[in-house]
Amino acid sequence: GAVVSQHPSRVICKSGTSVKIECRSLDFQATTMFWYRQFPKQSLMLMATSNEGSKATYEQGVEKDKFLINHASLTLSTLTVTSAHPEDSSFYICSASLPGGVVSPLHFGNGTRLTVT
Amino acid sequence: GDSVTQMEGPVTLSEEAFLTINCTYTATGYPSLFWYVQYPGEGLQLLLKATKADDKGSNKGFEATYRKETTSFHLEKGSVQVSDSAVYFCALSPREGGYQKVTFGTGTKLQVIP
Repeated sequence: GAVVSQHPSRVICKSGTSVKIECRSLDFQATTMFWYRQFPKQSLMLMATSNEGSKATYEQGVEKDKFLINHASLTLSTLTVTSAHPEDSSFYICSASLPGGVVSPLHFGNGTRLTVT
Repeated sequence: GDSVTQMEGPVTLSEEAFLTINCTYTATGYPSLFWYVQYPGEGLQLLLKATKADDKGSNKGFEATYRKETTSFHLEKGSVQVSDSAVYFCALSPREGGYQKVTFGTGTKLQVIP
């Protein structure tokens, strides 16, 4: 089945530094990928929709300059958390959907646990 | 807008007990409905889905039936195992075809004790 790989699985960084998270579709081309943030004991919050070759679409309340998204190829989207602060510590998950004419459930990466100290 | 409401957890059951996790939704049109499962420290995995009214999704002993009249998609399993311990998310998608935004419920944590 379709596989989405997310890297790294865990990252600890110091406040003020930037962190890049990669999301790859391993066996299919994903023109669109989604980035979510999950707070403890809460559901997934959609942050942005990443479109290959164009700018990402951000959800209301998500800072574009803080969460930079690049979707440079059909198999790779990256999320960069710039000038990270402790409140950015969270679980970030990406997903991608198989293209096609039928309902296509999302395939998720295993997530990245970001801890900002 | 679209929304999904799940029963609050955690739900704690003994092994081999019957499981029901309630899920209701609000959406325009005819959404597709999903259950996703998240094991500790991992991303979400699709457990089952239903794309139209009266469809029953099933996988790994779990079942859920798309009930349009009650706007519900309750998850059931006849005999849970310790390995079923995870967080379960009910979700809906308003579009068919290609990519779509998914609205998730808040998740229900299931703990199965031996």
